[in-house]
Amino acid sequence: DQQVKQNSPSLSVQEGRISILNCDYTNSMFDYFLWYKKYPAEGPTFLISISSIKDKNEDGRFTVFLNKSAKHLSLHIVPSQPGDSAVYFCAASARTTGTASKLTFGTGTRLQVTL
Amino acid sequence: DTAVSQTPKYLVTQMGNDKSIKCEQNLGHDTMYWYKQDSKKFLKIMFSYNNKELIINETVPNRFSPKSPDKAHLNLHINSLELGDSAVYFCASSQMLQGQKAFFGQGTRLTVV
Repeated sequence: DQQVKQNSPSLSVQEGRISILNCDYTNSMFDYFLWYKKYPAEGPTFLISISSIKDKNEDGRFTVFLNKSAKHLSLHIVPSQPGDSAVYFCAASARTTGTASKLTFGTGTRLQVTL
Repeated sequence: DTAVSQTPKYLVTQMGNDKSIKCEQNLGHDTMYWYKQDSKKFLKIMFSYNNKELIINETVPNRFSPKSPDKAHLNLHINSLELGDSAVYFCASSQMLQGQKAFFGQGTRLTVV
């Protein structure tokens, strides 16, 4: 039972263009969402997050959008840079259930930014 | 000055052996975790400790036993290793009130042969 899904295993984008990574979830108790970035042979690193009370959060080139009714979130990277090439994981937690520390991850999307 | 460090980075061992993975964090966090990433790249939580107390224990075989001697350390002991235990194991830490923003170690790739 995969509660967080990233249906695109890979994405290729030209440098300077926008990268859009998508994530869907099924558990309506999720109220906090995060994106992690992972390079090979390294652990995931936190990128950006959004609470369910918001529909948008921006941090520099990274913006996360949340559509609660559709149970969908997306990460926009603009402009994309070669150093953004990595695997991006969407994660969710349900802070109100007392398991705030438990993150449920998607399977990741490998982003390749080409020159 | 690595924030979350785990050792070893690679571990190759035979079936039936017992092995341990160590994890230490120097961020002053009160909560530590073990996550497992299997061959299908699913990253799933196994255990979580808050101030040395077990707070999350997913349906993990009891051959896996975490031990937290203090807030800064969370070790993972695995008895009677099986082929299916082969995976990358990630340690992580966070502050409980900011539990979602976990900091991860570099991972330990365990291969059981």
